[in-house]
Amino acid sequence: TQLLEQSPQFLSIQEGENLTVYCNSSSVFSSLQWYRQEPGEGPVLLVTVVTGGEVKKLKRLTFQFGDARKDSSLHITAAQPGDTGLYLCAGSPSGTYKYIFGTGTRLKVLA
Amino acid sequence: EAGVVQSPRYKIIEKKQPVAFWCNPISGHNTLYWYRQNLGQGPELLIRYENEEAVDDSQLPKDRFSAERLKGVDSTLKIQPAELGDSAVYLCASSRDRSYEQYFGPGTRLTVT
Repeated sequence: TQLLEQSPQFLSIQEGENLTVYCNSSSVFSSLQWYRQEPGEGPVLLVTVVTGGEVKKLKRLTFQFGDARKDSSLHITAAQPGDTGLYLCAGSPSGTYKYIFGTGTRLKVLA
Repeated sequence: EAGVVQSPRYKIIEKKQPVAFWCNPISGHNTLYWYRQNLGQGPELLIRYENEEAVDDSQLPKDRFSAERLKGVDSTLKIQPAELGDSAVYLCASSRDRSYEQYFGPGTRLTVT
């Protein structure tokens, strides 16, 4: 069973602070995605990374795929209350067309 | 463009009763997914369709769960009989094909009492 462990599980911070969420596995993935999910809604894709060592930026969000394609991180700069939600990573094992979701990180940004 | 539509949004049933969820994917999307998401966890894939064919149903509990995607468009997921442990959010997602981005619906929150 391929597991994606996310840390921390919960995070509550003040507006303006920076944070990093980690997604780790012992398995290699051909690609990895990050989603944000708000209450009562389905996950919304933020980014897909496919190359080991790849870094992608989306405004205040920076995503990095580990060199060995087993782990990833999401860094948010100057967090805002609108960033509040459940952040999910999802990895696609090589040779498959499905994504295995991580355990999730619930972020709350206080104004 | 309309997103993935799911109904009902909420369902409360007693254990041992049957229940069905409906999903209408984004127009033109050939691949359809059903996921189950337990509280505070990530979604788990139950079944993936490519057009009308179920190409990955390895995680579907086939003793009580069934799914169909007639004509390769809408899909229905059924549970019969429901158990207390089936309480969860059932998410449907679709993509243009298997290698493209998935778009999720809002989900159906099932409570089994």
